[in-house]
Amino acid sequence: DIQMTQSPSTLSASVGDRVTITCRASQSFSTWLAWYQQKPGNAPRLLIYDASTLETGVPSRFSGSGSGTEFTLTISSLQPDDFATYYCQQYNTYRATFGQGTKVEIK
Amino acid sequence: EVHLLESGGGLVQPGGSLRLSCAASGFTFSSYAMTWVRQAPGKGLEWVSGISSADNSTYYADSVRGRFTISRDNSKNTVYLQMNSLRVEDAAVYYCAKNEGIRPSSRIDCWGQGTLVTVSS
Repeated sequence: DIQMTQSPSTLSASVGDRVTITCRASQSFSTWLAWYQQKPGNAPRLLIYDASTLETGVPSRFSGSGSGTEFTLTISSLQPDDFATYYCQQYNTYRATFGQGTKVEIK
Repeated sequence: EVHLLESGGGLVQPGGSLRLSCAASGFTFSSYAMTWVRQAPGKGLEWVSGISSADNSTYYADSVRGRFTISRDNSKNTVYLQMNSLRVEDAAVYYCAKNEGIRPSSRIDCWGQGTLVTVSS
């Protein structure tokens, strides 16, 4: 299985900050990577797919990039609604795997 | 609008069985792969199992292979997860999810709200 490692595990930031989350894969693949946002008590929500394509309805302050083994999720200007946990997931293989998550907290 | 509704969760003793169901609506169910993802209390997301819509091929995480069985009934727009020989570590919220394509190796674009499975004596 491809192992996905996110960093940092926790991130403290303020409204308006630029935030970057990294996801590294144990094996190289193309761009079959998604980012999800999850708030407490809720199901995850798809933000980005194919590493850099914004899902319909997702604010443009979210962006994704990368290929191979390193991927990033960037929030250009953090908003109050963005405090949540973010997960990457590779779907290059049938047994898609998630990163361990990055919690974005209020500083 | 796509809607996924899980059911079947509950309290079960170690070694017991449960069958989760996920009723889908709002899309052509037979055309999309389906996936189960779980989340233990306070933990991250874990991919559990997926089933193709093309040929009903099934895939499992190592942690559940041989104990869990995924299946689908396209006439009922429902996907199932039969869970046998349950362990304490299987306790989690189980999410049903729709894949974007015909195979589980595609992004998840819709999630159910989850059903809680508790494994305890």
